[in-house]
Amino acid sequence: DGGITQSPKYLFRKEGQNVTLSCEQNLNHDAMYWYRQDPGQGLRLIYYSQIVNDFQKGDIAEGYSVSREKKESFPLTVTSAQKNPTAFYLCASSISGTVGETQYFGPGTRLLVL
Amino acid sequence: KNQVEQSPQSLIILEGKNCTLQCNYTVSPFSNLRWYKQDTGRGPVSLTIMTFSENTKSNGRYTATLDADTKQSSLHITASQLSDSASYICVVNRSGYALNFGKGTSLLVTP
Repeated sequence: DGGITQSPKYLFRKEGQNVTLSCEQNLNHDAMYWYRQDPGQGLRLIYYSQIVNDFQKGDIAEGYSVSREKKESFPLTVTSAQKNPTAFYLCASSISGTVGETQYFGPGTRLLVL
Repeated sequence: KNQVEQSPQSLIILEGKNCTLQCNYTVSPFSNLRWYKQDTGRGPVSLTIMTFSENTKSNGRYTATLDADTKQSSLHITASQLSDSASYICVVNRSGYALNFGKGTSLLVTP
């Protein structure tokens, strides 16, 4: 898990509710990423950010939003538009965002819909 | 289509035995291939990274091989331990593009 923390470990969402997942890193990395992991599937990229105040959509950005106001923080909001949010969410960071460099993952947040 | 296929999907072995996990990919152009270990409910941790020119790389009891011609990689675990029980994920990087993740092989080591 290194210097990346995610909270909470478990999160419950009611229908129509927005929820925000926290991701903080103290590795002084420029790049941060959000992935979604579903059973039997590979990790899928939701959003990534290579620098403060800038971020790009990944492969499955619909129904999600992010912000990058500080280098250390990259929160992910799961909006009510995301119709199937139940999944394991992983945050990662890397030194500069160069594709292929080592990404260091946080411990993950499991989101469940009530 | 850029894909990463891993086999077997799951594997059960006795403690102390060896095992080999497979990764076949169609990703092109190829930049590097990485094996991650993911314990249940935790984030993945990088085990090895291999570039086009590397055939074998070891990390303790873990040995990864790469055949860039046939686009195949394997992860060999020697003298397995209970703590090796985890999901092992193969990740291939396309040059200049994002990462391609395999679905993982779930390994269970039993006493």
